[in-house]
Amino acid sequence: GESVGLHLPTLSVQEGDNSIINCAYSNSASDYFIWYKQESGKGPQFIIDIRSNMDKRQGQRVTVLLNKTVKHLSLQIAATQPGDSAVYFCAPRSRPLSSGSARQLTFGSGTQLTVLP
Amino acid sequence: NAGVTQTPKFQVLKTGQSMTLQCAQDMNHNSMYWYRQDPGMGLRLIYYSASEGTTDKGEVPNGYNVSRLNKREFSLRLESAAPSQTSVYFCASSEDWDNYGYTFGSGTRLTVV
Repeated sequence: GESVGLHLPTLSVQEGDNSIINCAYSNSASDYFIWYKQESGKGPQFIIDIRSNMDKRQGQRVTVLLNKTVKHLSLQIAATQPGDSAVYFCAPRSRPLSSGSARQLTFGSGTQLTVLP
Repeated sequence: NAGVTQTPKFQVLKTGQSMTLQCAQDMNHNSMYWYRQDPGMGLRLIYYSASEGTTDKGEVPNGYNVSRLNKREFSLRLESAAPSQTSVYFCASSEDWDNYGYTFGSGTRLTVV
């Protein structure tokens, strides 16, 4: 099955600096990836997605980079703000759990981003 | 715009008790999901409903049952709770089964003693 890991379980950055959160995945057949943000006491929130036919996608203050050769993606947050403090999950789309079933997301354990004043 | 509403927010059960976690969405989404989140781990899919009238097992279905009551509501039932089911449970919905921009509820924190 899919395993998803992150290079660092915690990351602390100064307010205003850029943040880079990394994610490694194991399944070379993964073709779609999503980043979610989860604030304390809340459910995850969709941030940005990227398909395997792209190597970069930009949103508002966020950029996701995908390197399929080494099965790695990263989430870059520009000018990190206190409101960015949260756990960030990358979630590749996995193989179907059974024949004919829908493909599901596999969530990693997350990286806790703390923004320092 | 409520989005996805889960009840209750907190629950303590004794081993062997049963309970149903409720979930409702008001976005006219076709697909709904139940996940559990354990400390230091990502979310794991318990069951999902790709569309009204269908349900399928996820990664960790044992000990749970679900009902897609109508398009809006998707409930998760624990028939005989076990301490291993202590977790935070999240319900989510999406427009369709192949749309992965899920909207999550705020979770139910369940403790089984």
